[in-house]
Amino acid sequence: NAGVTQTPKFRILKIGQSMTLQCAQDMNHNYMYWYRQDPGMGLKLIYYSVGAGITDKGEVPNGYNVSRSTTEDFPLRLELAAPSQTSVYFCASSYSSGPVGGYTFGSGTRLTVV
Amino acid sequence: SQELEQSPQSLIVQEGKNLTINCTSSKTLYGLYWYKQKYGEGLIFLMMLQKGGEEKSHEKITAKLDEKKQQSSLHITASQPSHAGIYLCGAEGGSQGNLIFGKGTKLSVKP
Repeated sequence: NAGVTQTPKFRILKIGQSMTLQCAQDMNHNYMYWYRQDPGMGLKLIYYSVGAGITDKGEVPNGYNVSRSTTEDFPLRLELAAPSQTSVYFCASSYSSGPVGGYTFGSGTRLTVV
Repeated sequence: SQELEQSPQSLIVQEGKNLTINCTSSKTLYGLYWYKQKYGEGLIFLMMLQKGGEEKSHEKITAKLDEKKQQSSLHITASQPSHAGIYLCGAEGGSQGNLIFGKGTKLSVKP
């Protein structure tokens, strides 16, 4: 029962570097989300997807890109890393838009940009 | 936009003591979710409340939804070290139909 799998768990990037945070779910959920969690600030929605081939911006999309080529995968791309992107990133999925039963979250990726 | 405010921000209790965490919404609550987070782990779904006056329990954790007050409470009875972590409330209030979250309450339980 894998649920939502995120990789890597930890990463240190230098300013200006790029990376992709991977997210995969095996529950056949249509809806997937990327949140970032900053200390004392709660979770903020970066991007979301309602199905394969469909993505849309959340509250804080600047500096990020996503794609959804399959139902299972929803990678988050950072093109030019900045210190402001130091955060913990969570991927989540749900069966429907009204998250009956709640979202299923991955274990997170802790990213530090130096 | 809707906002969720949690109180207290942090809490230290002695093992065996009861405690309550509150989550207050700036708008009417149509669904309220409680999650628990441990360091290095994701958010674990605890409970969902949908109706005013609804109360749910799981082991020693009880959550209530007071729709009139736009508030939910999470009560832990006879706390244990395993209850330590960050508790977050979430609600269906994002502009994209997504969940929004409170800032969390950090709970420490002293043995």
